[in-house]
Amino acid sequence: EVHLAESGGGLVQPGGSLRLSCAASGFTFSTYSMNWFRQAPGKGLEWVSFISSSRFSIYYADSVKGRFTISRDNANNSLYLQMNSLRAEDTAVYYCARGWYDIVTGYPDWSDQWGQGTLVTVSS
Amino acid sequence: DVVMTQYPGSLAVSLGERATIHCKSSQSVLSSSNNKNSLAWYQQKSGQPPKLLIYWASVRESGVPDRFSGSGSGTDFTLTIDSLQTADLAVYYCQQYYNIPLTFGGGTKVEIK
Repeated sequence: EVHLAESGGGLVQPGGSLRLSCAASGFTFSTYSMNWFRQAPGKGLEWVSFISSSRFSIYYADSVKGRFTISRDNANNSLYLQMNSLRAEDTAVYYCARGWYDIVTGYPDWSDQWGQGTLVTVSS
Repeated sequence: DVVMTQYPGSLAVSLGERATIHCKSSQSVLSSSNNKNSLAWYQQKSGQPPKLLIYWASVRESGVPDRFSGSGSGTDFTLTIDSLQTADLAVYYCQQYYNIPLTFGGGTKVEIK
């Protein structure tokens, strides 16, 4: 059974940093691309970042570009999101999700498995 | 960015009746490389992560009941839930993957009348 478990969320002051982790199990992690999404309290879904299985393709939403860094450790079945210069508007539940990938365009497709999410609160 | 607009924002449907949710994209999401529409639908129940229902606009994900169906092409898409059940109470989102950034519609909340 596929399982994705996010961790690392919490309360952080504006301008601070946080590193989210996502532990994957139940599938061959190294062969799948991965995404981070977020959902502000009471709001809709927002895509944050994508990384292909080989790390060859990495993309970010404009709202986090230059502040967030996605990475992965295929040997340890783990996905990460380093978040720096955090702002109040980054407050959200962050989800990692297994994604499909268009090898022709190099772009992410849909996400078929999601973790339960971890809450990040940016506040003084 | 491809803007996704969903409507209605909410709808109340009687048990056993049909629910129809619409999603419109600001530009066509029909991929010229494979002639498929790059659109997915997700269901999100309260306090839970999203669950994939449909991709390529009409392909049902494995394990999804066949009362869920997707249709449409180009810029206009529909998610239909036939014979609504209490388990279908949720917010539904469309998402395009034609281009980055991936973008979602604002969601449609389905309630039981």
